[in-house]
Amino acid sequence: GAVVSQHPSWVICKSGTSVKIECRSLDFQATTMFWYRQFPKQSLMLMATSNEGSKATYEQGVEKDKFLINHASLTLSTLTVTSAHPEDSSFYICSAITGGWYQPQHFGDGTRLSIL
Amino acid sequence: GENVEQHPSTLSVQEGDSAVIKCTYSDSASNYFPWYKQELGKRPQLIIDIRSNVGEKKDQRIAVTLNKTAKHFSLHITETQPEDSAVYFCAARGGADGLTFGKGTHLIIQP
Repeated sequence: GAVVSQHPSWVICKSGTSVKIECRSLDFQATTMFWYRQFPKQSLMLMATSNEGSKATYEQGVEKDKFLINHASLTLSTLTVTSAHPEDSSFYICSAITGGWYQPQHFGDGTRLSIL
Repeated sequence: GENVEQHPSTLSVQEGDSAVIKCTYSDSASNYFPWYKQELGKRPQLIIDIRSNVGEKKDQRIAVTLNKTAKHFSLHITETQPEDSAVYFCAARGGADGLTFGKGTHLIIQP
């Protein structure tokens, strides 16, 4: 149980393109989803917290106009990287919690984004 | 905000020996401390976690200890095996917040 599906797994696109990444909880309702970014050989950095039906909360230094997050249902959150540039190339991973503060986060498989 | 420090950045141990990875956190409001194992290009996998009302937790060869007063927690792996080689991350969380991760430890098991 508690499966999180993330798509696509790999994206290569030209600079200036917008890219949408989907994160779905397959067998549970996720009131809260999180988006992380991981550069090569570095740790995961929290970008934003996404709550169903409300605006996402962004971490300091993350541009909300560049990284658009939508959490329209209890099973789907999307991250859109707008006008992507090479420096946005990274591994983006979502996670979801089923509820309760002590519940573990369930991670998606991640999306490797390469901007040429 | 929360700050999590993790040491060492690289740890090499002989197969069969024990490995210990240590983390400290700054926010006394943090109450949940998971440990993740990540292989190259894959998602982090939860290997063990501990809540702030518990001092120690064990699951077969893996154990975690938490010292709330000192704000540090440690991962202990006994009888290490080649498949334990990976990058390990500690993390901390308070309430419904996202996780703050340590910088990771590259664990190398020498045959």
